[in-house]
Amino acid sequence: DTAVSQTPKYLVTQMGNDKSIKCEQNLGHDTMYWYKQDSKKFLKIMFSYNNKELIINETVPNRFSPKSPDKAHLNLHINSLELGDSAVYFCASSQGEQGFGPGELFFGEGSRLTVL
Amino acid sequence: AQTVTQSQPEMSVQEAETVTLSCTYDTSENNYYLFWYKQPPSRQMILVIRQEAYKQQNATENRFSVNFQKAAKSFSLKISDSQLGDTAMYFCAFQGGSEKLVFGKGTKLTVNP
Repeated sequence: DTAVSQTPKYLVTQMGNDKSIKCEQNLGHDTMYWYKQDSKKFLKIMFSYNNKELIINETVPNRFSPKSPDKAHLNLHINSLELGDSAVYFCASSQGEQGFGPGELFFGEGSRLTVL
Repeated sequence: AQTVTQSQPEMSVQEAETVTLSCTYDTSENNYYLFWYKQPPSRQMILVIRQEAYKQQNATENRFSVNFQKAAKSFSLKISDSQLGDTAMYFCAFQGGSEKLVFGKGTKLTVNP
């Protein structure tokens, strides 16, 4: 069983479209994250939710909207896609809120988004 | 804000040899955690090793060990008996008591046969 699974793994779309990436974890963790990895492999946190509550919201355009229906799911919706949104988006989870424990992250396999 | 610096964008090593990846960080905190994550070509990030700052003993996981120098704010990763499967991007990461996990820019390691 995959611990952190995200779908789709690949997404190719046109500028201006709206798309969603879904993430689910079966580890029973309290906290979930979205990270963006750009073409230079730089990883940057976008959002973090602890038990469905938003706790980290980095400087991300409003076009990105996370949603956590329950603590096992964290989805990412992107409106009006731009060329610069092309990247690999990683979902991750950890036990406990960052800052209250070792913070080991369990990552999904990533979703490669290509905006044409 | 904390920063993590990996000064080696790329490195290569021959199979069975030893290689050391560098990482330095900047923080004013006394208690924190440090991690090395591996990202193979398959893309999935995997935790390699973790170090608690309050522990003086360097962490070890099989062929992977760290050299943690708290005063120097240095956290290097040593891979012994390198294997082809070690080829990957390696990310150093820092987590303070009240801050999010911060990653370095990564080191691309290639193990040559």
